[in-house]
Amino acid sequence: EAGVTQFPSHSVIEKGQTVTLRCDPISGHDNLYWYRRVMGKEIKFLLHFVKESKQDESGMPNNRFLAERTGGTYSTLKVQPAELEDSGVYFCASSPLLKVEQFFGPGTRLTVL
Amino acid sequence: AQSVTQPDIHITVSEGASLELRCNYSYGATPYLFWYVQSPGQGLQLLLKYFSGDTLVQGIKGFEAEFKRSQSSFNLRKPSVHWSDAAEYFCAVAFNQAGTALIFGKGTTLSVSS
Repeated sequence: EAGVTQFPSHSVIEKGQTVTLRCDPISGHDNLYWYRRVMGKEIKFLLHFVKESKQDESGMPNNRFLAERTGGTYSTLKVQPAELEDSGVYFCASSPLLKVEQFFGPGTRLTVL
Repeated sequence: AQSVTQPDIHITVSEGASLELRCNYSYGATPYLFWYVQSPGQGLQLLLKYFSGDTLVQGIKGFEAEFKRSQSSFNLRKPSVHWSDAAEYFCAVAFNQAGTALIFGKGTTLSVSS
């Protein structure tokens, strides 16, 4: 069974540009989460989807971040326009609907110059 | 506020020596507890978890952790460290049932010396 996959693995962009990160959860997992780790800090929750619906987006830092999960399968996280402080590693995780344990992807390392 | 503390940012252990990584949480009830490991270039891998029952849980790669309610702790242990254990270790908790965000500690980087 394939694990959680994320694309790209690395992205380097200029301040003001747009970047879109993609996450493919484990097949059948209705819960999908986005987290972010800024250098030197802890991994922090961004938002949670149940199927295609946003269940909790309390961790989204501002309106420059837009997450979607059309059709309840893969998810995208768009940052527009990117700022320097958006640099970090963005993790995606998924879990079955009634399970606590989350399975993480390898992360996307975003560098904003 | 709910929080997770990993007091050690970096630990160096000799190969073959024992290891204990500390984790404390702040919450009124017993949360769901996890330890994840991130090796260089890899994603977060679940080492072990505690939901209820026996307070000593066994995980993969020879790791174990003990939940101590009185100390609000969930320390990770391994009796004999291997060079391949060098990685960053994260303690995480979930304070409700399924479908809630994990709260992570800041992580502990483990170096293994020969």
